[in-house]
Amino acid sequence: ETGVTQSPTHLIKTRGQQVTLRCSSQSGHNTVSWYQQALGQGPQFIFQYYREEENGRGNFPPRFSGLQFPNYSSELNVNALELDDSALYLCASSSGTGSHYEQYFGPGTRLTVT
Amino acid sequence: GQNIDQPTEMTATEGAIVQINCTYQTSGFNGLFWYQQHAGEAPTFLSYNVLDGLEEKGRFSSFLSRSKGYSYLLLKELQMKDSASYLCAVKDTGRRALTFGSGTRLQVQP
Repeated sequence: ETGVTQSPTHLIKTRGQQVTLRCSSQSGHNTVSWYQQALGQGPQFIFQYYREEENGRGNFPPRFSGLQFPNYSSELNVNALELDDSALYLCASSSGTGSHYEQYFGPGTRLTVT
Repeated sequence: GQNIDQPTEMTATEGAIVQINCTYQTSGFNGLFWYQQHAGEAPTFLSYNVLDGLEEKGRFSSFLSRSKGYSYLLLKELQMKDSASYLCAVKDTGRRALTFGSGTRLQVQP
């Protein structure tokens, strides 16, 4: 286990609703990255937070937003849910943003939108 | 942008050796990672290459050729528990996070 935790484990929402997913980073890690993984695909980068500031964003619309707190835990918020948002949402923490900083993944939140 | 290609599926026999290839195109290479992901679980880190050559870690080895945009993951003495998806991921100098391939699903048979 990596020490990265996510909640909830599973979630079912209806199209148009809003959802908040949570991630607690590994002790000593100040960087959290969020990924979306559709079935049979690799994870796709949503955004990264470093010391409470957004530090890069992938090709996701503004209805995907996030926060990082002083203890470096993080939230992913998705508004106006669409069916295509159904996926496994992974967060990964690291102790920096450089390439040599290994990312440790949490177990993920499985979101189903109906 | 980035483009990462790896085979969709592979099958191998317990005790054998398997090589999973990954080719990539990136504007500014800054490291290549291999992750293992069992069904329904989080990816776990296997290896990191930033310079050309072979990195060995127990039964797993990873090779990188930056000039060819090519990497492979070599798994020796295959065990049934090695049945999983193997993800190749690249970091480039212009991005903050990893770009993943679609993964190679490896099935180890008795």
